[in-house]
Amino acid sequence: DTAVSQTPKYLVTQMGNDKSIKCEQNLGHDTMYWYKQDSKKFLKIMFSYNNKELIINETVPNRFSPKSPDKAHLNLHINSLELGDSAVYFCASSHGLAGGFEQFFGPGTRLTVL
Amino acid sequence: QKEVEQDPGPLSVPEGAIVSLNCTYSNSAFQYFMWYRQYSRKGPELLMYTYSSGNKEDGRFTAQVDKSSKYISLFIRDSQPSDSATYLCAGGGSNYKLTFGKGTLLTVNP
Repeated sequence: DTAVSQTPKYLVTQMGNDKSIKCEQNLGHDTMYWYKQDSKKFLKIMFSYNNKELIINETVPNRFSPKSPDKAHLNLHINSLELGDSAVYFCASSHGLAGGFEQFFGPGTRLTVL
Repeated sequence: QKEVEQDPGPLSVPEGAIVSLNCTYSNSAFQYFMWYRQYSRKGPELLMYTYSSGNKEDGRFTAQVDKSSKYISLFIRDSQPSDSATYLCAGGGSNYKLTFGKGTLLTVNP
């Protein structure tokens, strides 16, 4: 019974393409996050939504646009993909902002840009 | 200087050894501190968290925070091969944002 799920698990695409990654959580949480983990395993926050409202927006290129259709879903759309976007993208959720220290992570989406 | 610094290792120990993992941080606004464990090709999972300075013990794991020296530690007693993973320390404050270290890759050899 998956708590935080992401699709697809692997994504291989050409430079310049547009792609989306989907995330869903069935934990009843109202806060969701997107992280990027680069080849050196450095995990960095990109965005956070609380009750569908954007609350954290780190210095991320405008080509990245998160969308939260409801509290259980947070999708990530990436335009004009670049080589440097190759990484593992993790979605996470937590029980509100105050519970943000305990985040439940999805399995990750491994993006490779050729 | 990154907000959270962590020796990436790798660290290799024999089964049964005591493991010490350490981080330093620079952000004085951090109020709570976490250790996440990440198995290969999996998402991180919360192992332990502490609020402010002090120790916290959970089974074979002990987390320590010294805010005066901005030092975070995780000790693993009687280490097992199943403890082999990357351990990520993180700090968080009132802005609800977690800042992670780069992680330390630990291998426990049978």
